[in-house]
Amino acid sequence: EIVLTQSPGTLSLSPGERATLSCRASQTISSNFLAWYQQKPGQAPRLLIYTASSRAPGTPDRFSGSGSGTEFTLTISRLEPEDFAVYYCQQFGGSPRYSFGQGTKLEIK
Amino acid sequence: EPQLVESGGDSVQPGGSLRLSCIASGFTFSASAMTWVRQAPGQGLRWVSTITNYGDNTYYTDSVKGRFTIFRENSKNTLSLQMNSLRAEDTAVYFCAKSRPGTGSYELWGQGTLVTVSS
Repeated sequence: EIVLTQSPGTLSLSPGERATLSCRASQTISSNFLAWYQQKPGQAPRLLIYTASSRAPGTPDRFSGSGSGTEFTLTISRLEPEDFAVYYCQQFGGSPRYSFGQGTKLEIK
Repeated sequence: EPQLVESGGDSVQPGGSLRLSCIASGFTFSASAMTWVRQAPGQGLRWVSTITNYGDNTYYTDSVKGRFTIFRENSKNTLSLQMNSLRAEDTAVYFCAKSRPGTGSYELWGQGTLVTVSS
């Protein structure tokens, strides 16, 4: 079973700062089928990054994804007020077929 | 504009049944694999089930196997989730989501429908 572990659980930063969120997989994720989502309270998740580093349509270029194998990172270069939310990573292709990390809450410092 | 709209969420007693529906519009439904994801109150996202575009393959998380059935009617642009033998731990907001082809990710989400299992 592939388990995705996100760190930190909560990240406290100020607008304008750089955010680095980590997602570690217990097994190699094939073909880099790793995605990142943003979720704000009361809203559905929104796809930001797919296949580890490809930005989804409408994702601002301050968001970037990197990594391969078992270590993946979502970076937000300069935080905007609307970026404070919960972020999830998600894998495809392992066992179970799909799974999510537990989330990282990005809060305003 | 592509859109997914869920319905069918309700409050039900343990052991009961419920059917969720998701109506798609603005894209070619029959070309898209579809998924149900749930989120318990205050918790993270959990994958529930996925069905391929023509319904020939279905996948389930272990905790719902034998209790939930995912199916679709492409002629009606509708995805459904039949939930039987419901348990308290099935309480969650259920989202339907459209797969981004070839990426294993979900590019379009509905607003969610709340299922509460309680006596």
